[in-house]
This record gives sequence, C-alpha cells and structure tokens, in this order.
Amino acid sequence: DVKVTQSSRYLVKRTGEKVFLECVQDMDHENMFWYRQDPGLGLRLIYFSYDVKMKEKGDIPEGYSVSREKKERFSLILESASTNQTSMYLCASSFGSVYSNQPQHFGDGTRLSIL
Amino acid sequence: AQKVTQAQTEISVVEKEDVTLDCVYETRDTTYYLFWYKQPPSGELVFLIRRNSFDEQNEISGRYSWNFQKSTSSFNFTITASQVVDSAVYFCALSARGSARQLTFGSGTQLTVLP
Repeated sequence: DVKVTQSSRYLVKRTGEKVFLECVQDMDHENMFWYRQDPGLGLRLIYFSYDVKMKEKGDIPEGYSVSREKKERFSLILESASTNQTSMYLCASSFGSVYSNQPQHFGDGTRLSIL
Repeated sequence: AQKVTQAQTEISVVEKEDVTLDCVYETRDTTYYLFWYKQPPSGELVFLIRRNSFDEQNEISGRYSWNFQKSTSSFNFTITASQVVDSAVYFCALSARGSARQLTFGSGTQLTVLP
C-alpha cells in the first residue's frame, strides 16, 4: 500500500528559526511535492521535484527551499521562519513522468505554528 | 493559467440525503486531467478519481458518481444516500498536459453529514 510519511504532525517554532520538514515515501515514486494548505485557499504548491537533486518552484516558493538527496526523501526548509508561514504543510508523491498526471498520494500533514 | 472553482464553501445534509459538490474549471489546454480528493478530519488527502479530458463518460463507484461536462467546464461529484463518514473536505483539482506545476486545487467544500 502507498505510504507517505511526514516526520511530525504538529510542530511549534519561533520566528527566525530554521525549520526542516521531512517527507519519506516508500513507493519508489519519481515525483514529490510540498504544498501548504490555508483555510479558503485550498492547497498551493510550494516546490516539487521530479528526480533526485532536481527541483522546480511552484506557486509560492518565497521563503522556502527544498532538498532531495535521495529518491525517497524530500525536505522542505524554512530558512528563517516567520509568522505568516504558520500553516498546514502537506507532502505528496506520484510516479511516472512529470507530465503523466498520475494521482498524487499524500501524507497526513504537518501543522506548523510559528510564534 | 488554469483555475478551479468550488463555489460551495460548506454544505450540510442529513444522513441518507443525496448531495452534489460542484466543480468548475478553466484551462486553455485541450488535454487535461481532473481529480477529486477527500480530506477527512485526520488530515490526509485521499485520492478518489482521475478523469482525462477525452473521456466524458460519467463514472459511478458505489455511492459516488461523477458528471463530467466539457460544454460547461464542470466536473461535479454526487454522493448518494450520504453517511456520517462522508463528512470531510472535498477538493477538485486540475492538471494540464502542458503544465509542469501539476495540480491546481479548488478551495474545497466542507461537507457535514448529520445523523
């Protein structure tokens, strides 16, 4: 069965801290994604990766970076956390070409609060 | 640019009622894919269906059915004989062949099924 695991369900950090959110998938999927979810806005894509060490910006990349050193792991980094980055963060993965439009499989999400 | 509109922010029904969730999309691509996801209170998005732009046949899966109409750019989702366990946020999403940014999500519809 498909499994996407996010390292934390809840996380509280302080303004200015460097924050790491980790995501691991066990399906050997080529593509991985990071979204943030805010009330009334749906899901917005932050970054995605279609191969190891490859990444592309999504719709709202400002203030974030990502790392994909291994195929199964995709990390989201908040370089200097700010209160407007308080949100639910969702990781997803899918197989195939980046244009193949296969369904994405999601983790449980990390609810991040920046104080 | 592509866009997905879910005009119904919240819907409440009583158990056993039928309910339809609306989804209207915009894209300039002739090849695209439409998706529905369910997000229960636990937070994980669950994939329900994928439909490509060349297949306008309606689909039925148990109590769920989907009506795809290219003429009105709509991909509506109906739950027949709703149950309390259907309570969730439902997202419609669009992915176009020419887009490297993968899914564009609607803002979601919160469905509450009352006993």
